[in-house]
Amino acid sequence: DAGVTQSPTHLIKTRGQHVTLRCSPISGHKSVSWYQQVLGQGPQFIFQYYEKEERGRGNFPDRFSARQFPNYSSELNVNALLLGDSALYLCASSDYRARTGNTIYFGEGSWLTVV
Amino acid sequence: RKEVEQDPGPFNVPEGATVAFNCTYSNSASQSFFWYRQDCRKEPKLLMSVYSSGNEDGRFTAQLNRASQYISLLIRDSKLSDSATYLCVVMNQGGKLIFGQGTELSVKP
Repeated sequence: DAGVTQSPTHLIKTRGQHVTLRCSPISGHKSVSWYQQVLGQGPQFIFQYYEKEERGRGNFPDRFSARQFPNYSSELNVNALLLGDSALYLCASSDYRARTGNTIYFGEGSWLTVV
Repeated sequence: RKEVEQDPGPFNVPEGATVAFNCTYSNSASQSFFWYRQDCRKEPKLLMSVYSSGNEDGRFTAQLNRASQYISLLIRDSKLSDSATYLCVVMNQGGKLIFGQGTELSVKP
């Protein structure tokens, strides 16, 4: 079975550009969450989607947006990129509004560098 | 104050040493607790869940004290392969994971 897949794995953008990151959850999983991990820090929660609806939002500016598609895949969009947006963006997949960590799986992440 | 705080690192220990990681959390309504392991430039992976009764998995022992809002992880007989960053993680009511900043462990021969 395929795990959580994210694309692209690495990308470089210029300040002011926008970026779209993609995530495909494990087959059968209906919940997708996005996290940002800046070098030297733990991951920070950005969004959670369940059954195509936003169920949670972290403390990130409106430049960050996301959506979930009918097939449960998800996109994270970031507009007007800043140098500080350089980070590893992680997608987490779970089969329901997870009650235990045993049902949460992370993708390998998308490394974004803003120059 | 950060919601989840961990010991600052890095921890540099010889093979065979016992090492302890400590973590505190601020939200008393937090529901579930975990330790994740993250290798360099990789995604976090669940190491173990943490229960009030304490739980053990081989050389790893985790403990939760809800009254003190304190979580611990003990690694006995450290191996070179244990070198990684260990993340203390708390799950809130909505299923959101809140991570500590991580503690880097380096096990030396």
